[in-house]
Amino acid sequence: EVQLVESGGGLVQPGGSLRLSCAASTFTFSFHWMNWVRQAPGKGLEWVANIKEDGSEKYYVDSVRGRFTISRDNAKNSLYLQMNSLRAEDTAVYYCATGSGSYPSWGQGTLVTVSS
Amino acid sequence: EIVLTQSPGTLSLSPGERATLSCRASQSVTNRFLAWYQQKPGQAPRLLINGASSRATGIPDRFSGSGSGTDFTLTISRLEPEDFAVYYCQQYDTSPRTFGQGTKVEIK
Repeated sequence: EVQLVESGGGLVQPGGSLRLSCAASTFTFSFHWMNWVRQAPGKGLEWVANIKEDGSEKYYVDSVRGRFTISRDNAKNSLYLQMNSLRAEDTAVYYCATGSGSYPSWGQGTLVTVSS
Repeated sequence: EIVLTQSPGTLSLSPGERATLSCRASQSVTNRFLAWYQQKPGQAPRLLINGASSRATGIPDRFSGSGSGTDFTLTISRLEPEDFAVYYCQQYDTSPRTFGQGTKVEIK
């Protein structure tokens, strides 16, 4: 069974930065597109960013482009999301998920709270 | 960007009843690149259906998906107690990938 474990969430002030990590195991990480999907408290799901198997292609939702950077380290089976210039509206649970289209496997999420 | 609109917002049904959930797209979703997910409180979403009608691994056959173009449906033939949850549709035809706002299936 695919295992994905997110970490790095927490409380940060507006304008601050945070780096999320997603540790993958029990599958061949380097063979899969990876994604970050977020969910604001009590709200629906929003795809944030994705990255190709070898890291050569990256895509972002408009609301985070220029502020967030997705990356991966296939040698460490890890996915990252560097979040800069954070805003209150970035407050959400952030999930990592596998897949280039639909998302068959998800981590349990890490909560990011942007507040002063 | 493809906007997905789900209806109804809330569906109140009893165990054993049939649930029909709708997902309408603002433009055609080609190749039926549409998925459905189930989410329970405090849990990550779970993929139920992809390709509009293909059940994901381990999903019971009481869940079925149908539709094409702009209109898609998720049907749960006989609700089990564990099926009461929020359901989301998602398109992966174009970027950005987008989700519907969700339909909550609650116990009547």
